[in-house]
Amino acid sequence: AQSVSQHNHHVILSEAASLELGCNYSYGGTVNLFWYVQYPGQHLQLLLKYFSGDPLVKGIKGFEAEFIKSKFSFNLRKPSVQWSDTAEYFCAVLSNFGNEKLTFGTGTRLTIIP
Amino acid sequence: DVKVTQSSRYLVKRTGEKVFLECVQDMDHENMFWYRQDPGLGLRLIYFSYDVKMKEKGDIPEGYSVSREKKERFSLILESASTNQTSMYLCASSFMRQKIFGSGTQLSVL
Repeated sequence: AQSVSQHNHHVILSEAASLELGCNYSYGGTVNLFWYVQYPGQHLQLLLKYFSGDPLVKGIKGFEAEFIKSKFSFNLRKPSVQWSDTAEYFCAVLSNFGNEKLTFGTGTRLTIIP
Repeated sequence: DVKVTQSSRYLVKRTGEKVFLECVQDMDHENMFWYRQDPGLGLRLIYFSYDVKMKEKGDIPEGYSVSREKKERFSLILESASTNQTSMYLCASSFMRQKIFGSGTQLSVL
């Protein structure tokens, strides 16, 4: 069965620092990859996604992620974080396109200190 | 604006009660999902449905059942609620591999 690992459980950064959140998955075939964000008290929102093509994908609010197939990784990056980026971030992988069953990582809580 | 609506934001129930969590989507999506979200465990799939009256077990179906009588509505049922089912429950619908999530129901079982 596929699985997703997010090794950073809680990350604390100062404003303007650069961010990289790790995500690794275990599945050897074709995958679609996603990052979702959950701001405090809000519902889960799609940040960005990779289906195919350019492995560097750009999402909302200045976030980007790079798909490295050889490393089974899809790390999330942002060059300069803001206090409003404080949220929980979830990586997810879709391998069975028929039923669209999405497998999530355990999440990374990001706290930005003003 | 497309929406997935969960009927209750907060719910408090007693052990042994039968609990219904309702989810409605207005996008005519065929696929609908129920997840539970727990700190440190992320989102785990309970059940999903790919058509009316069709359902499949997810990763943690024990203690839960579902109902999908109409395309827009997907209900999660806790037959006899237990304290270990205290959690945040998220409903989602999906089309072309993109999911829209509801705002969640925080269920507390006392």
